[in-house]
This record gives sequence, structure tokens and C-alpha cells, in this order.
Amino acid sequence: AQSVTQPDIHITVSEGASLELRCNYSYGATPYLFWYVQSPGQGLQLLLKYFSGDTLVQGIKGFEAEFKRSQSSFNLRKPSVHWSDAAEYFCAVQTGANNLFFGTGTRLTVIP
Amino acid sequence: KAGVTQTPRYLIKTRGQQVTLSCSPISGHRSVSWYQQTPGQGLQFLFEYFSETQRNKGNFPGRFSGRQFSNSRSEMNVSTLELGDSALYLCASSDGQGLGGYTFGSGTRLTVV
Repeated sequence: AQSVTQPDIHITVSEGASLELRCNYSYGATPYLFWYVQSPGQGLQLLLKYFSGDTLVQGIKGFEAEFKRSQSSFNLRKPSVHWSDAAEYFCAVQTGANNLFFGTGTRLTVIP
Repeated sequence: KAGVTQTPRYLIKTRGQQVTLSCSPISGHRSVSWYQQTPGQGLQFLFEYFSETQRNKGNFPGRFSGRQFSNSRSEMNVSTLELGDSALYLCASSDGQGLGGYTFGSGTRLTVV
């Protein structure tokens, strides 16, 4: 069975600081991995996805993620956080049944 | 191109009633998936429709049902509403082949009183 773990429930960073959000997955086959962001009361916006190939994936809004098979991780990074990045971030794995299995999310607070 | 449209955005219903939510996918997408988001359970998969057929189903009671029309628009129905059904219901549109990613709508916020 699949699982996605986001160990950090809440992270606070200062504007301009770097950011890394952790995601660990468990899936029997080659995983298709996603990061989504959700602002309060809104839907989910796709930041980036990994299907195969280069393990460093570039996304929108200056985000990137690195797939590390040996560590079963897909951590999201941003070199310099902006106040508008404050939101909830979800890591997800696509199952063989063509649906997404989500982690519990990490809420990001940005201090001016 | 237009995104995924969910209607209505907000809904208040009474216990025991039923409700129907609508989702119009991105033009050309044939797959619509539905998810329930609650503070306690997080994001959970309800079901997926592809070309008017339910292709996959999550672990929800039979009170939750759906359908998809020939134009790929999908509806989700919840009968005999319970307080615990209060949630944000999100639909996701995809090409159905599994490689294009999923585009989500803004969701319908259902409150059961």
C-alpha cells in the first residue's frame, strides 16, 4: 500500500530565507510524485511533478524538488521565500488506480 | 484555456438532505476525480470517472455517488447528509492517461447543520 509522510506540520521562515519541505513516500512501483500548494479556501495548484528522468525538477514560482529513490524522498525547495508563499503544501503520489494519495500537508508561515 | 469549474462554491444543507455538486473539467480532458478534504482526515479520494464510467473508487459509503456526462462534466451526489460530511469537495481534471498531471478546481465548501 502507498503512503506519503510530511513530517513537518507547520514551518515558519523569514522572508528571503531558504525553504525545504520534506516528503517521504512508500510505493511499490516507480512513483509519480507531485507537489501542490493550497491557499486558504482555495483549490490545489500544481507546483511541479516528477514522472521520470532528471531527478531535479523545476516548477512554478521558483520552486524545485529533488527525487531521491534511495531515501524515498521528494523534498521541495525554494532558495528565497516570499510573503506570498505562505500557504499549505501537499506532497502526493499517483497510485496505479490513477488517483492521488496525499500527505497530511505542511503549513508554511512567512515572517516579514 | 478555461480551468476546472466547480459549482456552487458554498452550500449549507441540513442533516438528512441530499446534495449535488458539479464539476466541469478542462476542455478535452476525459477524466474527473473527486476528493474530500477535512481537517481531520485530510485529502481523500472519492472516485474517478473516465468517459462516463466510474473507473476507480475510494473507501466511502454508498451515500456518495457520482456520474459523468458525455461532455465530461461530472456531478457528485451525497444522500442522507451527516454532520461529518461537512468538507471542501475538490474535483480534479486530467487526460486520464496518468501522465499529464491533475488540475484542481476551487472546490465546493459544504456545511451540514
